[in-house]
Amino acid sequence: QVQLVESGGRLVKPGGSLRLSCAASGFTFSDRSMSWVRQAPGKGLEWVSYITGSGSTMDYADSVKGRFTISRDNTKNSLYLQMNSLRAEDTAIYYCAKDNDLTMWGQGTLVTVSS
Amino acid sequence: IQMTQSPSSLSASVGDRVTITCRASQNTNVYVNWYQHKPGQAPKNVIYAASQLQSGVPSRFSGSGSGTHFTLTISSLQPEDFATYYCQQSSSAPFTFGPGTEVAVK
Repeated sequence: QVQLVESGGRLVKPGGSLRLSCAASGFTFSDRSMSWVRQAPGKGLEWVSYITGSGSTMDYADSVKGRFTISRDNTKNSLYLQMNSLRAEDTAIYYCAKDNDLTMWGQGTLVTVSS
Repeated sequence: IQMTQSPSSLSASVGDRVTITCRASQNTNVYVNWYQHKPGQAPKNVIYAASQLQSGVPSRFSGSGSGTHFTLTISSLQPEDFATYYCQQSSSAPFTFGPGTEVAVK
């Protein structure tokens, strides 16, 4: 069955960097767009970024544009989110999800940005 | 594209019919999806493409709409349906979410 497993979340200081990973299984990974979505404490869901199956097209929320980079390795069935210049407001659970209409989600990984 | 939802929260009883409205600031055709989110769990897609029921989702959930006006209806609320519901547009990146509607126990 379809499974998405995020990893890489941890406590990081403001201004620091972090790379999240999402391991996918149960479907033809290279055929599907993938997205990152986050939920800050006490807040709603916020779409962060997406990348097409080939990796040729990606886009970002204004709140992370220029600081975050989405990428994928179709040989490893893996999705990544490189997060630089982290701010306190980036503290959230980060989910990876399959397709633009987010048909399947992972369980999430917690990123805490604090000094 | 900005997404708004109403109400922001509602209180209902088991067996009630519940309707949540979502509006888009621009035409999204039918590219609107609905998600159910419970605390401590991953969100779950319940409706995609405005009216298509995701596999495994009970038929008491239904969606309708096109363009800028969409609704999610739960025909007979069950105990497991108490959650926060979000609409999201996947018509044009960035694929924005609405602010959510909390469905709570009356």
